[in-house]
This record gives sequence, structure tokens and C-alpha cells, in this order.
Amino acid sequence: RKEVEQDPGPFNVPEGATVAFNCTYSNSASQSFFWYRQDCRKEPKLLMSVYSSGNEDGRFTAQLNRASQYISLLIRDSKLSDSATYLCVVMVLSGGYNKLIFGAGTRLAVHP
Amino acid sequence: NAGVTQTPKFQVLKTGQSMTLQCAQDMNHNSMYWYRQDPGMGLRLIYYSASEGTTDKGEVPNGYNVSRLNKREFSLRLESAAPSQTSVYFCASSEARIFSYNEQFFGPGTRLTVL
Repeated sequence: RKEVEQDPGPFNVPEGATVAFNCTYSNSASQSFFWYRQDCRKEPKLLMSVYSSGNEDGRFTAQLNRASQYISLLIRDSKLSDSATYLCVVMVLSGGYNKLIFGAGTRLAVHP
Repeated sequence: NAGVTQTPKFQVLKTGQSMTLQCAQDMNHNSMYWYRQDPGMGLRLIYYSASEGTTDKGEVPNGYNVSRLNKREFSLRLESAAPSQTSVYFCASSEARIFSYNEQFFGPGTRLTVL
């Protein structure tokens, strides 16, 4: 079983739609949680951290449910420029080092 | 600032050949990392260097060696390339204090094909 699991998609949505991605993780000792964005053939970049209380950054809302070991990302009013792969990332402390564990990503395609 | 740079961008090797992937960062970060990304899988850590002068194995170190040349540079060497090492390789850096999170900044990647 993968340590971080995501639906690979693709999610094909029209501009202006609301879309939600989910992610589950297996290590209950995970400490921190993030969403990274990766454009086609580019490097990953941090989109936002995920806090227990939930957090919002413009059109993006992230939620964490520690009891269910579940993370979500909601994108409102989708733009063409949101088309990318969204990586769910979990941090665990391993051997004195903060190790990042990446999901395989969920691909989003926003069309006109 | 260039951030994290990697060379080469693309490389094709024959089985058994060797090569070194170069990485440099200009953000004065302490920690540097090498990942590989394969289709359908998340990025997997090959090696990391928590600080200048130290290197440690990650999740998939077999077939690779690394050198932390100085604070800026961290290279990844394939001594005898195998088709299973066909992948996209990303270098990353972060400030990375041990008990706190610091964002990792990634380089543009090297696309390696081993025939």
C-alpha cells in the first residue's frame, strides 16, 4: 500500500467549476501536510500548507482530518491556468530528518 | 537569483555507462536532496545532505552515489546505468531545521533515458 494515495484523475472540468481532490495517508505519526503543484514537464512547487483547522488561500481551501488520515484540496472558480498535477505531500520525522512523502498526484485539466 | 539549477536537462545513456548529474543552489540553504519521479509514483528520495559535509541514503539509493561538494553544490552519480534508472531526476534544497518544516525548492529536472 502506498504511504500517500491520490486519485490520479484526470479531472476534466470547465472554467468556473469547483473541484475537490482527496488524499489519504497511512502513517499516523505524520506531522505536517502540504499540497504541491506540478505543471507539465516542470518541477513541483509548494501551493499551500494544510493545517488542522483548515486554511484558505484565495480560491484554494485545504482541509485535514487527522482521525481519518485524510487531506483535501478545494479549488473554486477554476481557471485555465489551474491545469496541472496536484501532489499531496506528508512530512514525517525519520532518523532525525523531516522526510517528505509524495503522492503520485492528481491531474486537473480545466477547459474553456 | 537562479534558485536551484540542474545540468544537463536531458541525457541518453547506454546500459553500463556512467554519468554525473549536477545541482547548484544560490539560496544559502543547508539541506539538499535528490529525488526521482517515475510515472504513477510519487517523488522518491534517493539521497540527501542535511548540511555541508554530510550525506545520507534516502528511500532508493541503490545504484547511485552523491557528493556534497560545498554548500552550494550536490551531485548525483550513476556508476553503471541500468534501464531501471530511466526517470526524471529532481534536485531540491531547503533551509531544513530538523524539527521544523522548511519549503523545499526544486530544480527544473533532468530527463534521463537508459537504453
